[in-house]
Amino acid sequence: EAGVTQFPSHSVIEKGQTVTLRCDPISGHDNLYWYRRVMGKEIKFLLHFVKESKQDESGMPNNRFLAERTGGTYSTLKVQPAELEDSGVYFCASSPEQGPSWTQYFGPGTRLLVL
Amino acid sequence: AQSVSQHNHHVILSEAASLELGCNYSYGGTVNLFWYVQYPGQHLQLLLKYFSGDPLVKGIKGFEAEFIKSKFSFNLRKPSVQWSDTAEYFCAVSYNFGNEKLTFGTGTRLTIIP
Repeated sequence: EAGVTQFPSHSVIEKGQTVTLRCDPISGHDNLYWYRRVMGKEIKFLLHFVKESKQDESGMPNNRFLAERTGGTYSTLKVQPAELEDSGVYFCASSPEQGPSWTQYFGPGTRLLVL
Repeated sequence: AQSVSQHNHHVILSEAASLELGCNYSYGGTVNLFWYVQYPGQHLQLLLKYFSGDPLVKGIKGFEAEFIKSKFSFNLRKPSVQWSDTAEYFCAVSYNFGNEKLTFGTGTRLTIIP
């Protein structure tokens, strides 16, 4: 069974540019989560999809971040325009069902550097 | 706001030493507790989790953790570490059933010296 995949693995962009990150969850997993780790800090929750619906987007930092999950399969996270403080590692995770008894499986992350 | 504290940022041990990594969380309600590990170049993966029942939880690779509700703690232990345990360890908590977003600590980097 393929794990959670994320693309790209690394991205270096200039301030003001746009970047789109992609996450492919494990096949059949309805729940998809985005997290971010800014250097030296904790991994922070961004948002949670159940299928194509946003269940919880309380962690999205501002309206420069737009997440979508059309069709309930893969998800994209767009940052537009990117700022220096957006640099970090963006993780995606998926789980088959809702509820804390279900493990969240993490992808390898996308390292974003905004110059 | 909910928070998780991991007091040790970097721990260096020799092989065969015993390990205990501290984790405390801030909220006193019903919690679900996790330890994740990230080996160099690999994904975050679950080591163990606690939801209810026996507060001593056993995980993979010989790790265990004990939930002490009165101390809001969930410390990770291993009696004898190996070089292959070199990794970053993250404690995480989720608070309400149906609100399963994870709140993480800042992580503890563990270096095992052969």
